[in-house]
Amino acid sequence: SQTIHQWPATLVQPVGSPLSLECTVEGTSNPNLYWYRQAAGRGLQLLFYSVGIGQISSEVPQNLSASRPQDRQFILSSKKLLLSDSGFYLCAWSKGVPDTQYFGPGTRLTVL
Amino acid sequence: AQSVTQLGSHVSVSEGALVLLRCNYSSSVPPYLFWYVQYPNQGLQLLLKYTSAATLVKGINGFEAEFKKSETSFHLTKPSAHMSDAAEYFCAVSERNFGNEKLTFGTGTRLTIIP
Repeated sequence: SQTIHQWPATLVQPVGSPLSLECTVEGTSNPNLYWYRQAAGRGLQLLFYSVGIGQISSEVPQNLSASRPQDRQFILSSKKLLLSDSGFYLCAWSKGVPDTQYFGPGTRLTVL
Repeated sequence: AQSVTQLGSHVSVSEGALVLLRCNYSSSVPPYLFWYVQYPNQGLQLLLKYTSAATLVKGINGFEAEFKKSETSFHLTKPSAHMSDAAEYFCAVSERNFGNEKLTFGTGTRLTIIP
């Protein structure tokens, strides 16, 4: 069966510091991968998605970036965090177009 | 373009009462429709999905939803609410276009169960 991991689970970072969140999927190959952000009291905002290694589509211009160095690994990064980057970050994968997306447990990021 | 509207950001029902969470969609082509549930500080879990088979879809935990094309709706129901149903619920749509890899989510409905 397939599983999706995210780490860290929680993170507290000062404004201006860098960020790296990691997501990995097990049990499938060539999945579509997604990064979402969920701010307090708001819905899900799609940040990036990827249909293959090195292929990244950005949905929202901001100070975040994403990379997919391996087939089942998706990384969300920032060089300098802003207060507005605080939120709950969710990674998801799917197989097929379109198909159900399966979500990881999330990372709670607090920028102080 | 695909979009979803969830009416009511907060819904409260008594334990044992009917749960009805509303979702209306907009899609230029036949859609796939999904309901997800999110418990506090967790990821989203799929409740059910509509993919053009039966219009009445049954999901986990006793939930079901009915696809009504004429009303562009996909409302989520459960006959009898349980305390464990307290969570946030998201409706999502995906258009059946080749190359469309994205789901569009509604803003969510927080369900509170009154003992």
